Amino acid sequence: SYVLTQPPSVSVAPGQTARISCGGDNVGSKNVHWYQQKPGQAPAVVIYYDGDRPSGIPERFSGSNSGHTATLTISRVEAGDEADYYCQVWDGNSGHRVFGGGTKLIVL
Amino acid sequence: QVQLQESGPGLVKPSGTLSLTCAVSGASISSSNWWIWIRQPPGKGLEWIGEIYYNGITNYNSSLKSRVTISLDKSKNQFSLKLSSVTAADTAVYYCATLRAPATNYFDFWGQGTLVTVSS
Repeated sequence: SYVLTQPPSVSVAPGQTARISCGGDNVGSKNVHWYQQKPGQAPAVVIYYDGDRPSGIPERFSGSNSGHTATLTISRVEAGDEADYYCQVWDGNSGHRVFGGGTKLIVL
Repeated sequence: QVQLQESGPGLVKPSGTLSLTCAVSGASISSSNWWIWIRQPPGKGLEWIGEIYYNGITNYNSSLKSRVTISLDKSKNQFSLKLSSVTAADTAVYYCATLRAPATNYFDFWGQGTLVTVSS
């Protein structure tokens, strides 16, 4: 089955840029979606189709996807961005929807 | 705006069957879309369980396929999850979710989640 690999945690100071990676075999050929989950809440999409933002998501959130790695970039990080972030794809070979293991963003 | 609400027992005995329902408002489950179950063990990541299309076609995670059944109740505009032979490893927050449109492949609408604990 298809596997997406994320770092367990990423630490960044306020105002800096956070980059969260999502690795998978030729993931660049798939559409990657990113979710933010705060404690006690359901996840919410912050990036879909590699780099599109839903309405209401700040422009500080962006995404890219190429080769074997997709990346969620959060510019000018704020304390309120501290959360768990998950990448997700649809694997056409299996017909399954797959999540990465999640990355905890720590704002120092 | 689509709203989803999970309901069901919060405690299930080992070897029993977990049964949850997701009530849908703001959309009809008879319209073309996928209706999805996802779970999250305490302190762990998200796991896609499976889904059902409006016409009854199902798609299950291979790791759970032998124990999972997802069904539609169009009269009540809700869909359900049954997971049999549960163990402590099935303790999790269970979410129902759906897509903005059937081909979009990302989860735009989520329920608030319901914690199910497997314990005697």
